Amino acid sequence: DVKVTQSSRYLVKRTGEKVFLECVQDMDHENMFWYRQDPGLGLRLIYFSYDVKMKEKGDIPEGYSVSREKKERFSLILESASTNQTSMYLCASSSRSQGKAEQYFGPGTRLTVT
Amino acid sequence: GESVGLHLPTLSVQEGDNSIINCAYSNSASDYFIWYKQESGKGPQFIIDIRSNMDKRQGQRVTVLLNKTVKHLSLQIAATQPGDSAVYFCAESPPSGSARQLTFGSGTQLTVLP
Repeated sequence: DVKVTQSSRYLVKRTGEKVFLECVQDMDHENMFWYRQDPGLGLRLIYFSYDVKMKEKGDIPEGYSVSREKKERFSLILESASTNQTSMYLCASSSRSQGKAEQYFGPGTRLTVT
Repeated sequence: GESVGLHLPTLSVQEGDNSIINCAYSNSASDYFIWYKQESGKGPQFIIDIRSNMDKRQGQRVTVLLNKTVKHLSLQIAATQPGDSAVYFCAESPPSGSARQLTFGSGTQLTVLP
């Protein structure tokens, strides 16, 4: 079974702090994604990566950056956390070789910025 | 039902009845569609997918119907069970040169009544 793990289930940070969210997948997938999920807005894509050291902006990249130094790990960075970044963050991965878009999700990190 | 970009929050059905969740997608270039189920406190879980060269696909107790003419997708769940209570998302995906991306609807909360 594909497994996507995220470093924390719950996180509380203060405004202005630098925040790191880590995601690891164990299926050798080329593609990895970071979403945020807010009530009534569904899942919105922040950034994605299709290979090591490669990254592309999604729909809402402002205030975020990412890092992919190893194939299995994709990090989301909030350079200076703000209260409007309080949200559920979901990481996902997918295989390019399958020819499909099916993404496998982690359990999510609920981040609260106070 | 739901629309990608619009929010129709809830659907209640009696246990044992069939459920139908609808979704209107927006991108006529999308050629791949997925339904996900998200239980409380968990990440989205793949249910079933369909390519644009098909109009119907069946899984275990679930059927997805695709009508490309009106850009409409539906998920039918047969003999709905209490464990089916969750939020259901449709997602669409156009072809991509890098990683295929998914655009998610805002979700429908399915509640199964005893």
